[in-house]
Amino acid sequence: DAKTTQPNSMESNEEEPVHLPCNHSTISGTDYIHWYRQLPSQGPEYVIHGLTSNVNNRMASLAIAEDRKSSTLILHRATLRDAAVYYCILRVSSEKLVFGKGTKLTVNP
Amino acid sequence: DAGVTQSPTHLIKTRGQQVTLRCSPKSGHDTVSWYQQALGQGPQFIFQYYEEEERQRGNFPDRFSGHQFPNYSSELNVNALLLGDSALYLCASSFGLAGAPGGTQYFGPGTRLLVL
Repeated sequence: DAKTTQPNSMESNEEEPVHLPCNHSTISGTDYIHWYRQLPSQGPEYVIHGLTSNVNNRMASLAIAEDRKSSTLILHRATLRDAAVYYCILRVSSEKLVFGKGTKLTVNP
Repeated sequence: DAGVTQSPTHLIKTRGQQVTLRCSPKSGHDTVSWYQQALGQGPQFIFQYYEEEERQRGNFPDRFSGHQFPNYSSELNVNALLLGDSALYLCASSFGLAGAPGGTQYFGPGTRLLVL
């Protein structure tokens, strides 16, 4: 399974943008980049995914480097409810998700 | 529309006992995956069920087994419990096995198992 590298923790202030980085230098051409997040005492929830192009949805934006060896999850205006562990995952099939330790995001009021 | 549900929410067992955890997938989903999440770690894939068969398995011993029923719900069984089996057990559902890797998994809230 291809590996991802994320910072252990990040802090942000409420209503400011947050950029969560992920390195995946061994990514292959068929790997999709997925982001999930896990709020305290809950199961993970899907945030966004992409293959080559930048993606936007109502929760976040995903910026993918041109060589695909890194990506950035962007929360445009962080709220206290965005405090969670964010996981960057490379996915080649529908069969499983391989989680790392993720980035714990703290949002300060 | 009910999401993924799991029961029970919490469970306490002693070493050597057996436990059964249950999962009902999101409406319209036919594939169920199980994950184990130890404290402070990311979830680890146990196995996946589709069409009532185990399709892929992670690095877990045979003490971990499962079942999928015709209504797509699933059970996770763990025999001969060890202290190290204490964890949050997550169920995730999705539609279709051979779908694009862009597919999404929906997770339940988990069952927290404590083995004493």
